[in-house]
Amino acid sequence: DAMVIQNPRYQVTQFGKPVTLSCSQTLNHNVMYWYQQKSSQAPKLLFHYYDKDFNNEADTPDNFQSRRPNTSFCFLDIRSPGLGDAAMYLCATSRPGPGLAGLPHTDTQYFGPGTRLTVL
Amino acid sequence: AQSVTQLGSHVSVSEGALVLLRCNYSSSVPPYLFWYVQYPNQGLQLLLKYTTGATLVKGINGFEAEFKKSETSFHLTKPSAHMSDAAEYFCAVSGIGDMRFGAGTRLTVKP
Repeated sequence: DAMVIQNPRYQVTQFGKPVTLSCSQTLNHNVMYWYQQKSSQAPKLLFHYYDKDFNNEADTPDNFQSRRPNTSFCFLDIRSPGLGDAAMYLCATSRPGPGLAGLPHTDTQYFGPGTRLTVL
Repeated sequence: AQSVTQLGSHVSVSEGALVLLRCNYSSSVPPYLFWYVQYPNQGLQLLLKYTTGATLVKGINGFEAEFKKSETSFHLTKPSAHMSDAAEYFCAVSGIGDMRFGAGTRLTVKP
């Protein structure tokens, strides 16, 4: 089955120790997203890729970086994790929708199972 | 810009009772509207979506939602709750370039 896979499912790191989370997809979707979700809150978009084009949300801390080496894989790097970065990290993919006025209309996002990050 | 407001952070129903989760949206362009469900320690799963056309949308697990432009609403309903419906539900709206999620509604189903 086509799907979005995230590894690892659970990650424990120490305060300030860099960590990388990975996401892969077999859906061949152009767009990949990283979200941060804290307990009982909505997912918060960190950034997304439209093919190779990287789009950073204005309020995403510099501590968070991302790489997309090819269509299938996307990585989230947290350079110096703080206690406040403990959260669930969700990867999602989508195709661009049919569009409005020539601009892409975001269509269904397909989510991976998430990686729960603990910072000690 | 788009936004959604989910009315009620917690909803509790008895098994077999009607489920109604409320969502109102704001959008400067014709919206796409979505309902997602999230079970503990899992990602979000699409329940249903509205893009264009028929305003009553049927989804998985017996859920449906009706797009009402005049009320800017997209409420989620299910005629008869099942214990397995207990989860977090997110309404989302997309326009140009991004998708915005509501704060979520936690549904509890009592036996």
